[in-house]
Amino acid sequence: ETGVTQTPRHLVMGMTNKKSLKCEQHLGHNAMYWYKQSAKKPLELMFVYNFKEQTENNSVPSRFSPECPNSSHLFLHLHTLQPEDSALYLCASSQVLGDNSPLHFGNGTRLTVT
Amino acid sequence: EDKVVQSPLSLVVHEGDTVTLNCSYEVTNFRSLLWYKQEKKAPTFLFMLTSSGIEKKSGRLSSILDKKELFSILNITATQTGDSAIYLCAVDSNSGYALNFGKGTSLLVTP
Repeated sequence: ETGVTQTPRHLVMGMTNKKSLKCEQHLGHNAMYWYKQSAKKPLELMFVYNFKEQTENNSVPSRFSPECPNSSHLFLHLHTLQPEDSALYLCASSQVLGDNSPLHFGNGTRLTVT
Repeated sequence: EDKVVQSPLSLVVHEGDTVTLNCSYEVTNFRSLLWYKQEKKAPTFLFMLTSSGIEKKSGRLSSILDKKELFSILNITATQTGDSAIYLCAVDSNSGYALNFGKGTSLLVTP
C-alpha cells in the first residue's frame, strides 16, 4: 500500500470510448500530479494541482481532461484517445507544491488504446 | 532546456555484485536530486540529495551528489534479485513545478 491508490489497474479502450482514471491519496497531501510513462521515455508531467487548483498543464492535448474535486482525489477523463496514448499513467502526491518534498506515486493505470 | 541523463540504460549483474548507476544533469536553479526505485508499478522514493559530497545511505544502497560536475551516483553493494528494478533519477529546480526525470536504468540481478 503506497498511500496513493489508483483505479483501474488496467484499462483497454477503443478510440471512440470515454473513460476516467481515478486517484485517491490518504497521506494528507495538498499537491497532486498526473504523469505519463511510455516505454523508453522519461516520465512526463501532465497536470499539477495544488489545494485543488490546477497550476500547470504541460501542453497536454484536450482529449485528456483532469478534475480535482478536493485535495484527496484526482481524476483524468479520457475521450477520443489515440493508440500512441497507450502508456502507464501515474498519479502522485506531495505535501505542498514547491516545498521540495518527495513525490509519492500510485501503482498506475496501464492504458491500452485500440 | 533542462536535461537528466542516466547511464547505463540497462544492466545485468549476478547476485553479490556491486553496481554503480549514474545520473548527470543540466538544469537551471538546481534544488535537489532524487532517486526512485520502480519495480512493478509505483516508483518508490529512495534518496533526496541537496548538498555535494554528503553520502546518503540506506542498507546496501548509497548515493552521493557532485554539484560541481553535475552528477550523482547510486551504489548498490551485494546485490540481490530483489534489487531488480528500474532506477529513476529526477532533478528538482526552482524553475517550475515539474521534476525532470531521466529515462531510468533497468537493473536485472540474476541468481
